[in-house]
Amino acid sequence: KQEVTQIPAALSVPEGENLVLNCSFTDSAIYNLQWFRQDPGKGLTSLLLIQSSQREQTSGRLNASLDKSSGRSTLYIAASQPGDSATYLCAVMNDYKLSFGAGTTVTVRA
Amino acid sequence: DVKVTQSSRYLVKRTGEKVFLECVQDMDHENMFWYRQDPGLGLRLIYFSYDVKMKEKGDIPEGYSVSREKKERFSLILESASTNQTSMYLCASSLAEFNEQFFGPGTRLTVL
Repeated sequence: KQEVTQIPAALSVPEGENLVLNCSFTDSAIYNLQWFRQDPGKGLTSLLLIQSSQREQTSGRLNASLDKSSGRSTLYIAASQPGDSATYLCAVMNDYKLSFGAGTTVTVRA
Repeated sequence: DVKVTQSSRYLVKRTGEKVFLECVQDMDHENMFWYRQDPGLGLRLIYFSYDVKMKEKGDIPEGYSVSREKKERFSLILESASTNQTSMYLCASSLAEFNEQFFGPGTRLTVL
């Protein structure tokens, strides 16, 4: 059974600092990995999808890397803003199903 | 943009009631999913469907059933609601099996 771990569970940084969020998974036979953002009481917003054959994916200030063999992904958010405050979830796909981590809750202080 | 909508944002029901949660997507996606999200347990897959009238059990299907009569609509049914089904329910859809999943806004269900 796939286990997905996200460290740290919570992170508080001053505005302008770069954010580094980590995700690890136990079964490296994945099809893809997806990063999501969730605001309190809301649904999930897809941020980035990395296919298993890719090493990284970029969208604006966001960059996600994937090291499938070691079972790790990192989400970088450059020049953080208070609007980046949210919970970030990573999810990996095996056998048509997504397995989710518990998330990292980020607070960006103005 | 893909849009996934859910019939209610908040719902309060009594123990034993039959509850219907509806989800609609507007991008002709093949696959649709129902998850529940609980503090400390994260998101867990209840059921998914890869075609009209087709359904597959996820990790926690007990106490739930689903219906997919039309491609754009996927319903989650709680036959006899219980207090342990109080949760946030999230619907998602994807174009095909290995594609990006898009989520709806969620329904917070409270069973009293």
